[in-house]
Amino acid sequence: DAGVIQSPRHEVTEMGQEVTLRCKPISGHNSLFWYRQTMMRGLELLIYFNNNVPIDDSGMPEDRFSAKMPNASFSTLKIQPSEPRDSAVYFCASRSSGANVLTFGAGSRLTVL
Amino acid sequence: DQQVKQNSPSLSVQEGRISILNCDYTNSMFDYFLWYKKYPAEGPTFLISISSIKDKNEDGRFTVFLNKSAKHLSLHIVPSQPGDSAVYFCAATPSGNTPLVFGKGTRLSVIA
Repeated sequence: DAGVIQSPRHEVTEMGQEVTLRCKPISGHNSLFWYRQTMMRGLELLIYFNNNVPIDDSGMPEDRFSAKMPNASFSTLKIQPSEPRDSAVYFCASRSSGANVLTFGAGSRLTVL
Repeated sequence: DQQVKQNSPSLSVQEGRISILNCDYTNSMFDYFLWYKKYPAEGPTFLISISSIKDKNEDGRFTVFLNKSAKHLSLHIVPSQPGDSAVYFCAATPSGNTPLVFGKGTRLSVIA
């Protein structure tokens, strides 16, 4: 298996632009998580899905952030409009039902100028 | 309020010596604990875990100790190697279909 696939790996954009991050979980994993890593807050959970259904989005910082999982093999995290404080590394992770261990993707490094 | 705390942002150890990384938690519902290792420009990778029914779990050079009464766990690496230099994240969960809660990480530098 190719693991969790994230794109783009790097994104540099200007304030006010829309950013879309993409994730393909491991086949057969039915839970998907979006985390954000910053120096100040470490790895914080933004949102997670079970069987494509959003379960908890309380970690999404503002209404500018939205996430979707239209099918079992694809998820997006969208920021519109983006702001410099959104600059961080965004990780997608997945796991199978009943497991505790998450498998992470390589991350998407976002820089908002 | 942080439910999982790693109070040491960094740690430097000589090659061959023991590295001890510490983690404290506040949520009594946590019953499964994990350590992840992260290299630059990569995602975190699972290293070792422990269930609350145990107080020790060993895997090669890595041992995790759990002290439930103190709500404290630690990761021991013996002997430390330069390739162990990375950021280590402690994580916890109440188990079931719940997310992992992570600490802020400790950057370990193993000096040759």
